[in-house]
Amino acid sequence: GAVVSQHPSRVICKSGTSVKIECRSLDFQATTMFWYRQFPKQSLMLMATSNEGSKATYEQGVEKDKFLINHASLTLSTLTVTSAHPEDSSFYICSAGAATGYSNQPQHFGDGTRLSIL
Amino acid sequence: AQKVTQAQTEISVVEKEDVTLDCVYETRDTTYYLFWYKQPPSGELVFLIRRNSFDEQNEISGRYSWNFQKSTSSFNFTITASQVVDSAVYFCALSEDTGGFKTIFGAGTRLFVKA
Repeated sequence: GAVVSQHPSRVICKSGTSVKIECRSLDFQATTMFWYRQFPKQSLMLMATSNEGSKATYEQGVEKDKFLINHASLTLSTLTVTSAHPEDSSFYICSAGAATGYSNQPQHFGDGTRLSIL
Repeated sequence: AQKVTQAQTEISVVEKEDVTLDCVYETRDTTYYLFWYKQPPSGELVFLIRRNSFDEQNEISGRYSWNFQKSTSSFNFTITASQVVDSAVYFCALSEDTGGFKTIFGAGTRLFVKA
């Protein structure tokens, strides 16, 4: 069964709306979660690294004020796309892993959220 | 800096053919992890394999096999006797120890298997 739950799976909303996407680790504690964006027929691009209890680390070119990340607990990270516009329409996918030392578990991915801004 | 190159954008084969998907990576770390994921049209990522940098053994899982060659920084994926259900986008990915284990993906290879 799924170990990372992402919700909602699909969102369609009007331009200017803020949209929140949740990513939950179901049966493990995730100190770190990652948020990716995937445009049609392109690869997954890492947006940011979400660390429990601290500020997220954003990749170059990603607007932190546009994409707000909150990782308030060891099982939940949220991505809020603020004042979304059509160019923000994309497939957003999160992943979580409980990396400890040099033992890296495979990153478990959520099923993604397809965001469409009209 | 970490980088993953999948030079094959699209591959089209006829069912029952064998097909190899290439993956070349770059990293300065000695400890790193390589992955292959499958993304069917429905969009979710399906984990196929993880290999750490200290384990160069090749692996076979049913019709799937992987060839890890550190000397050429390659981690190629072969599907034997391909089936229509294998049609998907396949991503090779790299996770570095010093990178906080964030995973960087290659551009992906879109595989079409025709009946």
